Amino acid sequence: DVKVTQSSRYLVKRTGEKVFLECVQDMDHENMFWYRQDPGLGLRLIYFSYDVKMKEKGDIPEGYSVSREKKERFSLILESASTNQTSMYLCASQVGQGVGTEAFFGQGTRLTVV
Amino acid sequence: DQQVKQNSPSLSVQEGRISILNCDYTNSMFDYFLWYKKYPAEGPTFLISISSIKDKNEDGRFTVFLNKSAKHLSLHIVPSQPGDSAVYFCAASFIQGAQKLVFGQGTRLTINP
Repeated sequence: DVKVTQSSRYLVKRTGEKVFLECVQDMDHENMFWYRQDPGLGLRLIYFSYDVKMKEKGDIPEGYSVSREKKERFSLILESASTNQTSMYLCASQVGQGVGTEAFFGQGTRLTVV
Repeated sequence: DQQVKQNSPSLSVQEGRISILNCDYTNSMFDYFLWYKKYPAEGPTFLISISSIKDKNEDGRFTVFLNKSAKHLSLHIVPSQPGDSAVYFCAASFIQGAQKLVFGQGTRLTINP
C-alpha cells in the first residue's frame, strides 16, 4: 500500500512565525502535491512538484513556498504565518507517467495560526 | 473560477436506499474523473474513477456515470450503508501532461438508519 505521511496531525503557530509542513511518500512517485481544505471551498491546490527540484504554482500559492530536495519528500513552507492560513493541509503523491492515475493522500495537518 | 462544482453541500439518505452525488465541470479538456471519500480528521481516500472514453464504471456498490455533452458526472451508491456517511469530493484531471487534480467543494452525505 502507498503510504503518505505528514509530520504532524495538529499544529498551533503564532502569527509571523515561519512554519514547515513535511510530507514523505514511500512509493517512488514522481508527482507530489500540497492542497488546503476549507469549508465550502473544497480542496485547493497550493503547489505541486513533478520531479526533484521541480515545482509549479497551483491556484493559491501566495504566502507559501515549497522544497523538494529528495524524491520522497515534499515540504510546504509558510514564510510568515497569518491567521487566514489556518486550515487543513493535505499532501498527496501520484505516479508521474500514467494513463490516468489517482493521487494518494496523507492524513492531513490541522494548522491553527493564532 | 470554479472549474469543478458540486452544487449540493449536503445530502441525507435512508440506509438501504440509493445515494446519488452530482458534479459538474466547465473545462471540456478534462479527460479523467475521480471520486474521493473523506472522514473528519483524515485524508481523502480514492473511491472510483472514469476516463472520458467511457460513460460508466462500476466497482461493487459504487458506480460513476459520465455525461460528456452535459459536462456532468454522478456517483451512485447502492445500497447506502451507515459507514458511507462522509464528505465526497469529485475531481477532474488530464490523462496526459500535468495530472494535477482539480476538486469540487464536496458534498456531505449522511446515511440515516
